[in-house]
Amino acid sequence: DQQVKQNSPSLSVQEGRISILNCDYTNSMFDYFLWYKKYPAEGPTFLISISSIKDKNEDGRFTVFLNKSAKHLSLHIVPSQPGDSAVYFCAAPRANAGGTSYGKLTFGQGTILTVHP
Amino acid sequence: DGGITQSPKYLFRKEGQNVTLSCEQNLNHDAMYWYRQDPGQGLRLIYYSQIVNDFQKGDIAEGYSVSREKKESFPLTVTSAQKNPTAFYLCASSIQGSAVTQYFGPGTRLLVL
Repeated sequence: DQQVKQNSPSLSVQEGRISILNCDYTNSMFDYFLWYKKYPAEGPTFLISISSIKDKNEDGRFTVFLNKSAKHLSLHIVPSQPGDSAVYFCAAPRANAGGTSYGKLTFGQGTILTVHP
Repeated sequence: DGGITQSPKYLFRKEGQNVTLSCEQNLNHDAMYWYRQDPGQGLRLIYYSQIVNDFQKGDIAEGYSVSREKKESFPLTVTSAQKNPTAFYLCASSIQGSAVTQYFGPGTRLLVL
């Protein structure tokens, strides 16, 4: 059961424009979400996160929006730069009726972002 | 520099052979994790350890084994029982098992000869 889904395998954007990466989830008990960035043959690096008590979190060029009613979150990168070209994963700590298991993350399939100069 | 190291970067396995992937961290983190990444898929949890001398199976533990004898080390053995071992293996750690943010190593790519 893929509880975190990134339905767009790839996204291509011109340098300076906005990149919007989307993520949908099915488990309404998720209460925290993270975005990771991954370059080829490297480990993912933490980018930004958001708690379910917020609907927006901003860090420099990166903003994450959370729409709990739609079970949807998105990562906005403005302005996009060629160095942003990477795979982006959204992730959420496991959650069930027993509570949230913060140590166990469920990852989406990833979206390959390509920013053209 | 603090961080997570994984070795080797590339590893080749022959049929019927066990191989061990190394993961070391000097971040003083309690929790450590092993993930597997296949093309077009997200990271899937193999094993995790919240504290020394304790570890738990993740979602795809069959064909793998781990040990956690030291806080800084969490080696993963890919046994001959793992029929499809070719993948990119990632080790991660977090301050505690309850911490949300995990920090990843550079990964090991395992190929079958």
